[in-house]
Amino acid sequence: DTAVSQTPKYLVTQMGNDKSIKCEQNLGHDTMYWYKQDSKKFLKIMFSYNNKELIINETVPNRFSPKSPDKAHLNLHINSLELGDSAVYFCASSPQGRLLSGNTIYFGEGSWLTVV
Amino acid sequence: SQQGEEDPQALSIQEGENATMNCSYKTSINNLQWYRQNSGRGLVHLILIRSNEREKHSGRLRVTLDTSKKSSSLLITASRAADTASYFCATPPNQGAQKLVFGQGTRLTINP
Repeated sequence: DTAVSQTPKYLVTQMGNDKSIKCEQNLGHDTMYWYKQDSKKFLKIMFSYNNKELIINETVPNRFSPKSPDKAHLNLHINSLELGDSAVYFCASSPQGRLLSGNTIYFGEGSWLTVV
Repeated sequence: SQQGEEDPQALSIQEGENATMNCSYKTSINNLQWYRQNSGRGLVHLILIRSNEREKHSGRLRVTLDTSKKSSSLLITASRAADTASYFCATPPNQGAQKLVFGQGTRLTINP
């Protein structure tokens, strides 16, 4: 059973298009994240939601709009795609975001976005 | 901003040898975590060490933490081909701590 699942795994699209990536976790976690991994493997947080409420927005362009219909789902919609948006996008979750106390993050398998 | 920085960026060793990867971080931490990423896959948590711990073991993994030097190391003993992956250190910043900040990773290749 996949704990954090995201779709699609691969996405090739043209500049200017709008696309969405969906994510679901069946771990019962309260906190979900979107991370972006660039071509140099650098992993950077984009958004974090706790119980459907946005708690982190790391200066991501407003073309990126996350949406959490419930605490088990966090989708990412991207408008007007640009070449620089090409990357791997990882959805993740953790128990109530208490990372200071030692909780860890569970990642999905990633969505490879290529903008041409 | 990048909290952890791994060193070396790439490491290639023979199967059976030990692999050591280092991580340096900038601010004070409560804990430090190591993750593995196989090619084309998501990150998987390996081990967590708290700021009041100096060393921790898990199977063939040994993690050390030196808070005075703001550094950690991950040692994989008796490496296997299946250990080939990228390894990342990550820390929750003390402020807020609702996220993990990752380094750029060490790409480890185990040659058979």
